[in-house]
Amino acid sequence: AQSVAQPEDQVNVAEGNPLTVKCTYSVSGNPYLFWYVQYPNRGLQFLLKYITGDNLVKGSYGFEAEFNKSQTSFHLKKPSALVSDSALYFCAVRDSRGKAAGNKLTFGGGTRVLVKP
Amino acid sequence: NAGVTQTPKFQVLKTGQSMTLQCAQDMNHEYMSWYRQDPGMGLRLIHYSVGAGITDQGEVPNGYNVSRSTTEDFPLRLLSAAPSQTSVYFCASRPTGGAGNTIYFGEGSWLTVV
Repeated sequence: AQSVAQPEDQVNVAEGNPLTVKCTYSVSGNPYLFWYVQYPNRGLQFLLKYITGDNLVKGSYGFEAEFNKSQTSFHLKKPSALVSDSALYFCAVRDSRGKAAGNKLTFGGGTRVLVKP
Repeated sequence: NAGVTQTPKFQVLKTGQSMTLQCAQDMNHEYMSWYRQDPGMGLRLIHYSVGAGITDQGEVPNGYNVSRSTTEDFPLRLLSAAPSQTSVYFCASRPTGGAGNTIYFGEGSWLTVV
């Protein structure tokens, strides 16, 4: 069974400092990895994904994530955080194999990011 | 662009009542799904559909029914609401093709069962 772990419930960072949100995963085959952001009372918005190729993926709003196969990690990063980045962030994984992929996207529990001015 | 549209946004139900959460997408996506979001548990898949007339269960299907009569619509029915179904519900869709395709979410439906 596939799974995702986001070990931190909350990350606090000062505006202008680097932001990292951690994610590790477990799948049987090759992973497809996604990051989503959720602002209060809103739906999830897609940030970026890793399918194949370059391990460093760049996404929306200045975010990037690095796929590390040996550590089974896909940490989300932003070099300089903004107050407006305060939100709930979800990592998700889908197995790339055949029928096992289907429509099943497994989410982590979410990490709340608070960026202080 | 409408994308994925969910209604209602907020709903309060009494235990035992039934209701339907509506979901529609205008992107001609074959895959549609329903998730529930509970604190600390991320999103859990309730039911999904790979095309009109085809539905299947996800992780937490009990107490919910779905149907897919058209490509555009994927309603979620609560048969007899229970307090444990108090949650935020998200409808989602994605294009056909590879499993790496991005999934798009609606704005959510906040449901409280009293």
